[in-house]
Amino acid sequence: ETGVTQTPRHLVMGMTNKKSLKCEQHLGHNAMYWYKQSAKKPLELMFVYSLEERVENNSVPSRFSPECPNSSHLFLHLHTLQPEDSALYLCASSQVAGNTIYFGEGSWLTVV
Amino acid sequence: AQSVTQPDIHITVSEGASLELRCNYSYGATPYLFWYVQSPGQGLQLLLKYFSGDTLVQGIKGFEAEFKRSQSSFNLRKPSVHWSDAAEYFCAVGAVDSSYKLIFGSGTRLLVRP
Repeated sequence: ETGVTQTPRHLVMGMTNKKSLKCEQHLGHNAMYWYKQSAKKPLELMFVYSLEERVENNSVPSRFSPECPNSSHLFLHLHTLQPEDSALYLCASSQVAGNTIYFGEGSWLTVV
Repeated sequence: AQSVTQPDIHITVSEGASLELRCNYSYGATPYLFWYVQSPGQGLQLLLKYFSGDTLVQGIKGFEAEFKRSQSSFNLRKPSVHWSDAAEYFCAVGAVDSSYKLIFGSGTRLLVRP
């Protein structure tokens, strides 16, 4: 139990599908993150939300669309993805000023 | 700009042997420093962190790390490795002036020989 829960753990989708990844944190944190982890690449920060406002968007293609309806929930909406988008997507959270990030177990995404 | 280098992609040690994983960072001021561990198919788990104070920090699972400002290093150590320590280890640096600019190294994969 990490305090950050991601669903689904595994997702296979076609390039024309629309799907969403969900993240929920039970730690009372105010910031939430999406990271992408591909084979042989460093962790890539995709999006950051602080107090439900997006504060970072690291040049992520528009086929990835985040949503943060409240400080406990974060979504990553996926549409018209490419095979190279196949990766482990990690959600994380932290206190706004705490600077210690806690990760979920990740969602394995395969685009076929 | 911040950066983190983990020079060893793979390290193999025998069970019971000591371990040191290297991490070097680049940052203009005092950074926040972290070590995370990732088991296959899992997310990242925080092992330990350094914010300020004592430069030798203790973490979970018997790990420790030492911040050496003069060498810009934050190496992770364990005196006796267990087979369950086989995993990937990530060093990360955070900016003191930002709560979310956490930059990760590319990781070191630890293999443990029986």
